Amino acid sequence: GIQVEQSPPDLILQEGANSTLRCNFSDSVNNLQWFHQNPWGQLINLFYIPSGTKQNGRLSATTVATERYSLLYISSSQTTDSGVYFCAVRDDKIIFGKGTRLHILP
Amino acid sequence: EAQVTQNPRYLITVTGKKLTVTCSQNMNHEYMSWYRQDPGLGLRQIYYSMNVEVTDKGDVPEGYKVSRKEKRNFPLILESPSPNQTSLYFCASSILSSGLAGTDTQYFGPGTRLTVL
Repeated sequence: GIQVEQSPPDLILQEGANSTLRCNFSDSVNNLQWFHQNPWGQLINLFYIPSGTKQNGRLSATTVATERYSLLYISSSQTTDSGVYFCAVRDDKIIFGKGTRLHILP
Repeated sequence: EAQVTQNPRYLITVTGKKLTVTCSQNMNHEYMSWYRQDPGLGLRQIYYSMNVEVTDKGDVPEGYKVSRKEKRNFPLILESPSPNQTSLYFCASSILSSGLAGTDTQYFGPGTRLTVL
């Protein structure tokens, strides 16, 4: 089956810093999403991005399907950005990466 | 309001006592699925359903059952729970499109924290 790997596993940044999170997948997909799990456990959709680039405020994402990776950019980090970021792909089944745990220090 | 609801939110039970966690969505989504989340393992799909009366195993189906008799409901059944099923469970739903042409964003319920003693 498809393998999904995320990097880095953990990231600690000062408030205001920028960050790039990466998601690699082992086979071609036509469905990729980024999620944020906040410290209370809630899973929030960030982007549905099988290809191309999307932006939403301080967050943007780019998926290069031909090279099998996706990047999530967070600019001017805030403490509310803390949590775990997951990417997931679907091939009938849905496969999640193990996530990047982001901790933003005030 | 479009949402996925799960009940109960918290449950402590004992080994062998059958339980059901309900999941309901009001978005007329075809695709529904259950996940469990464990530390260090991320989210793993238990079962999924592409439509009424159509269910398939995910990566970790052992010890679980599901049914999809109505489009909006997708209950998760543990016939004989064991301590290794202690976990955080999420239900999710989405439309079922052809990928690039669609926007089959998954919407998650709030989670059910299950403890099996």
